[in-house]
Amino acid sequence: DGGITQSPKYLFRKEGQNVTLSCEQNLNHDAMYWYRQDPGQGLRLIYYSQIVNDFQKGDIAEGYSVSREKKESFPLTVTSAQKNPTAFYLCATTGGGSTDTQYFGPGTRLTVL
Amino acid sequence: SQQGEEDPQALSIQEGENATMNCSYKTSINNLQWYRQNSGRGLVHLILIRSNEREKHSGRLRVTLDTSKKSSSLLITASRAADTASYFCATGPVKAAGNKLTFGGGTRVLVKP
Repeated sequence: DGGITQSPKYLFRKEGQNVTLSCEQNLNHDAMYWYRQDPGQGLRLIYYSQIVNDFQKGDIAEGYSVSREKKESFPLTVTSAQKNPTAFYLCATTGGGSTDTQYFGPGTRLTVL
Repeated sequence: SQQGEEDPQALSIQEGENATMNCSYKTSINNLQWYRQNSGRGLVHLILIRSNEREKHSGRLRVTLDTSKKSSSLLITASRAADTASYFCATGPVKAAGNKLTFGGGTRVLVKP
């Protein structure tokens, strides 16, 4: 998991609540990504950011929001508009010598009660 | 459907045997990567093969790439119980902004001792 931390490891949300997932990195990487993984499935891109104060929607951005105020941090907010938020959320970065390889955090498992 | 599709979806082998899994994709790529995910954890990068390469080795891993067939294979030789994990291929399309990767659905490998 390298220098990427995600918190919390487990998160429970009541319907109608917004929750924010944390992703922090000390790798000095420019690009950061948020993915959603459903059981037995691959990863789907939610949002990504190539540089501070800039981010773009991925394939499934509806019901999610992000910010990139600092290079080290890329928090993801799951809003009440996301109708089926129960999933495993993974944050990743690229940078340094290779911009092709992605480095992943340990993930946050979100469950809606 | 996803850019990368792995086959088989699941694989069960005895320790010491070889494990082979395949990945097919649809669009032109710059590179293809393989990642491993242990249950409930983040993904770990295994190997990257570029579009102008046909074969690459790393330890007990061997990856091939056939761009004419838009397919790749990952071979794990002399498998160990610790190789039990899900394996994902990820493609870096030629025209993808932000170094985005597209992940397949994964192959779940069980290595029995």
